[in-house]
Amino acid sequence: SAVISQKPSRDICQRGTSLTIQCQVDSQVTMMFWYRQQPGQSLTLIATANQGSEATYESGFVIDKFPISRPNLTFSTLTVSNMSPEDSSIYLCSVEEALSRSQVPNEQFFGPGTRLTVL
Amino acid sequence: QKEVEQNSGPLSVPEGAIASLNCTYSDRGSQSFFWYRQYSGKSPELIMFIYSNGDKEDGRFTAQLNKASQYVSLLIRDSQPSDSATYLCAVNSYYTGGFKTIFGAGTRLFVKA
Repeated sequence: SAVISQKPSRDICQRGTSLTIQCQVDSQVTMMFWYRQQPGQSLTLIATANQGSEATYESGFVIDKFPISRPNLTFSTLTVSNMSPEDSSIYLCSVEEALSRSQVPNEQFFGPGTRLTVL
Repeated sequence: QKEVEQNSGPLSVPEGAIASLNCTYSDRGSQSFFWYRQYSGKSPELIMFIYSNGDKEDGRFTAQLNKASQYVSLLIRDSQPSDSATYLCAVNSYYTGGFKTIFGAGTRLFVKA
């Protein structure tokens, strides 16, 4: 199973600043996903990052606010730009691996998360 | 908008009892169904998946799927205090461009010693 690390594990930031979160996987993966989990809420998909192409953003999330890089098959970054207190959340990256050779279905593995507090 | 609905709980059961967690989904074309466990302050981890109608058992856990009713459940037998966590139901559905996993809001389970 994939092992995922994220940096930083937590940060406290001032309103109007930006934070870049790094996600490193121990194996090559085609797609990486960025999620947000606000307190007491479920996981909300922000975007899907494919290596060598633009990230695909979900409704309500835009590239100017959450720019993503995916320079190779083991690494991705998510930037939270021009932060406000509403951006306070846990940000998780994840990857998919096939549960079996038949490829159906895929299991998602999650990184440890980055806990962001915006003052 | 394709949705996954769960009772947020908390669901409280005594140690040794059966905990029953339920989930409904809106997309009749959904392919695969997952239960993730998330301990407080930790990331979700997969505990069960199912993609055929009926029951699937793994140790103390049983996943049940009824596609006609668009309903999936998780039973935890002989519940232990260590089972206390939030359980996320996730459904894999087809969207333009490929499949996507949608998560429910989760059900908090407390197992009392």
